[in-house]
Amino acid sequence: KQEVTQIPAALSVPEGENLVLNCSFTDSAIYNLQWFRQDPGKGLTSLLLIQSSQREQTSGRLNASLDKSSGRSTLYIAASQPGDSATYLCAVTEGGADGLTFGKGTHLIIQP
Amino acid sequence: GAVVSQHPSRVICKSGTSVKIECRSLDFQATTMFWYRQFPKKSLMLMATSNEGSKATYEQGVEKDKFLINHASLTLSTLTVTSAHPEDSSFYICSAYPGLAGSQQFFGPGTRLTVL
Repeated sequence: KQEVTQIPAALSVPEGENLVLNCSFTDSAIYNLQWFRQDPGKGLTSLLLIQSSQREQTSGRLNASLDKSSGRSTLYIAASQPGDSATYLCAVTEGGADGLTFGKGTHLIIQP
Repeated sequence: GAVVSQHPSRVICKSGTSVKIECRSLDFQATTMFWYRQFPKKSLMLMATSNEGSKATYEQGVEKDKFLINHASLTLSTLTVTSAHPEDSSFYICSAYPGLAGSQQFFGPGTRLTVL
């Protein structure tokens, strides 16, 4: 059974810092990996989707990498801003028509 | 972009009543829809997978007679929580999958259920 672990569980940093969030998964036979953002009491915002054949994806200040063989992904946030404060979730799926397995998330606080 | 809606966004009900939550894909057809729930300070857990016109597949530990799922069309799936109890209080989120190679699931905004 696939398990997804995210480290750290919580992170608080001053504004402007670059930071890295980590995600690991136990079964490397994934179809894709996604990073989401969730604000308190809200739904999910998809940030980046990496297909199993890809190594990384970039969107603005966000960069996600995938090392499928080692079961790891990182989300890099450059020049962090207070508006980046949220919970970041990593999720994998083993097929397009399969459900996602989520990690417990990293609760991020960017101090002004 | 692909949009998925959920209705209602928030519902409060008495213990023992049933609640129906709708999930709609607004601008695409979804061959598969998924239902997840999220307890406070926990991550999302897949409850069930539904394909249009067929019975839903439930994850281990999810009672199919309590959480009734109907996927009547390629744009609508409903989740009915029957005889709701306070422990069913949770955040329920649906997602829809267009069935296209390389595509992703698109998530609804979620429904906050509170059972008194």
